[in-house]
Amino acid sequence: EIVLTQSPGTLSLSPGERATLSCRASQSLTSSYLNWYQLHPGQAPRLLIYGASNRASGVPDRFSGSGSGTDFTLTINSLAPEDFAVYFCQYYGASPTWTFGRGTKVEIK
Amino acid sequence: QVRLQESGPGLVKPSGTLSLACDVSGGSLSSDNKWSWVRQPPGKGLEWIGEIHHSGTTSYNPSLNSRVTISVDKSKRQFSLRLSSVTAADTAVYLCARVAGTPRPFSIHSYYYMDVWGKGTTVTVSS
Repeated sequence: EIVLTQSPGTLSLSPGERATLSCRASQSLTSSYLNWYQLHPGQAPRLLIYGASNRASGVPDRFSGSGSGTDFTLTINSLAPEDFAVYFCQYYGASPTWTFGRGTKVEIK
Repeated sequence: QVRLQESGPGLVKPSGTLSLACDVSGGSLSSDNKWSWVRQPPGKGLEWIGEIHHSGTTSYNPSLNSRVTISVDKSKRQFSLRLSSVTAADTAVYLCARVAGTPRPFSIHSYYYMDVWGKGTTVTVSS
């Protein structure tokens, strides 16, 4: 079973700063199946990045994804007020079909 | 625009059965997508529960497989989750989601992701 470890658990930044979030896998992944989501409390999760580096429809270009193998990164350039949220990575694999990381909370410093 | 809305009891007794529905509006359950359930226990990460295709084909998380049933009712435009023999560990926010795919360039394979989600419903297991 694949385990996704996200770090840091919490990232304290100011608006306008860059956020770099890590998602590390317990074994090498097919990057095409690595996705990132944003979650605000009480709201529906939002797909940000699919296939490690493809922005979903309507996602601002300050969000970017990169990585391969076991190390993947979500970068948010110039944090906007609405970007303070929790971010999850997700992998589409064999069993279980979907695996999630535990999330990184990006909070206002 | 497809929208999903979870519904069901917010409180379930231990050893009972949790039953939730996800209403699908603005789109068809019969489209070539899968429909998934995910949960988030308090203070923890997301856990995939299982999914269903409109044909009835299902896939479940092995950790819950013996207790989970997901079904689809196209006439009601909804898919449902039943989780039996619940304990306090099943207390969570339960979310439904649509699984979609996009063809990958120069590949017979597709990208897969959950592109539409409900806001979730809180279920507490307690006597």
